[in-house]
Amino acid sequence: QKEVEQNSGPLSVPEGAIASLNCTYSDRVSQSFFWYRQYSGKSPELIMSIYSNGDKEDGRFTAQLNKASQYVSLLIRDSQPSDSATYLCAGADTGRRALTFGSGTRLQVQP
Amino acid sequence: DVKVTQSSRYLVKRTGEKVFLECVQDMDHENMFWYRQDPGLGLRLIYFSYDVKMKEKGDIPEGYSVSREKKERFSLILESASTNQTSMYLCASSRADRDTEAFFGQGTRLTVV
Repeated sequence: QKEVEQNSGPLSVPEGAIASLNCTYSDRVSQSFFWYRQYSGKSPELIMSIYSNGDKEDGRFTAQLNKASQYVSLLIRDSQPSDSATYLCAGADTGRRALTFGSGTRLQVQP
Repeated sequence: DVKVTQSSRYLVKRTGEKVFLECVQDMDHENMFWYRQDPGLGLRLIYFSYDVKMKEKGDIPEGYSVSREKKERFSLILESASTNQTSMYLCASSRADRDTEAFFGQGTRLTVV
């Protein structure tokens, strides 16, 4: 099993809908997680971090962490075409000071 | 705002050349990283450094070396470039805390011909 796994997509949702992006992780990755957004040809930018079990909301974004299931998700409410990008899930590695990334999920928001 | 700057946006090099990719950060971060990103493979860690003159191998260090002579600067060196090193290279930095987010530079698209 990879340390951080994501469905590559594409995930296609209509404008205004809720987009749900999911990520699972192995024991090697610690309990701190980060969601990055990456537009085509650009570098990743941090949009959410979550450190404890439960939900964390920031504007239209909600990150959810379930440690028992080793599962982290990102919900995007009222999706906009400008949200179309690849979303990378990353976890802090327990053995070193580096983030381990999933391969990313491509989101397409249809106008 | 955190700023991580990579010296080149695009590079084209010939097979066998020695290639230097430079990265500078202005937030006094202790940790610096080099990743490469390839379609379907995500970001893979090449090397990282948590202090001046300190370095640790990541998951794919073969064919690469690094240098960190000053806290703000982290260089990636391709000793003898090969076509399979054609990729997007991303530099990042973070604070010393273990569970902390990383901030990325704009990336260098390297093509080896």
